[in-house]
Amino acid sequence: AQSVTQPDIHITVSEGASLELRCNYSYGATPYLFWYVQSPGQGLQLLLKYFSGDTLVQGIKGFEAEFKRSQSSFNLRKPSVHWSDAAEYFCAVGNTGNQFYFGTGTSLTVIP
Amino acid sequence: NAGVTQTPKFRVLKTGQSMTLLCAQDMNHEYMYWYRQDPGMGLRLIHYSVGEGTTAKGEVPDGYNVSRLKKQNFLLGLESAAPSQTSVYFCASSSARQLSSYEQYFGPGTRLTVT
Repeated sequence: AQSVTQPDIHITVSEGASLELRCNYSYGATPYLFWYVQSPGQGLQLLLKYFSGDTLVQGIKGFEAEFKRSQSSFNLRKPSVHWSDAAEYFCAVGNTGNQFYFGTGTSLTVIP
Repeated sequence: NAGVTQTPKFRVLKTGQSMTLLCAQDMNHEYMYWYRQDPGMGLRLIHYSVGEGTTAKGEVPDGYNVSRLKKQNFLLGLESAAPSQTSVYFCASSSARQLSSYEQYFGPGTRLTVT
């Protein structure tokens, strides 16, 4: 069965600092991996996705993520965080049956 | 192109009442999904549909029913609401046709409170 673990419930970073959000997945085949962001009171917006090929994927808003098969991880990174990045971040894995499994989310607080 | 829309945005129900949440998408997507989001639990799949006239159970289907009579609409019904169904409900859709578009598009959510 597929599953996603986001080990950090809440992270606080200073504006301008770098950010890494962790995501580990469990899936037998090559996974389809996603990161979504949710601002308060809003729906989910896709940041980036990985299907195959280059293991470092670039997304919107300056985010990137690296797929590491050996570690079953798909961590999200940003070199310099902006106050507007404060939000909830969800990692998800999809299978070939168009089913998607979400992690429990990581809440990001950005302090000035 | 409105994407995925949900109605209503907010609703308060009394225990035992029924209601239907409507999800509509204008992207001609084959797949549609209903999730609920609760604090600390992420998104959990309630039901999904792989095409018009078909539905399937997800992770937490009890207490909910769905219908997909038209490709663009996916209805979520609560026959007898319970306080445990207080949650934010999200609808999503995805295309089965192209790998490049293999992602979910989400609606803005419906906040439901059951008292």
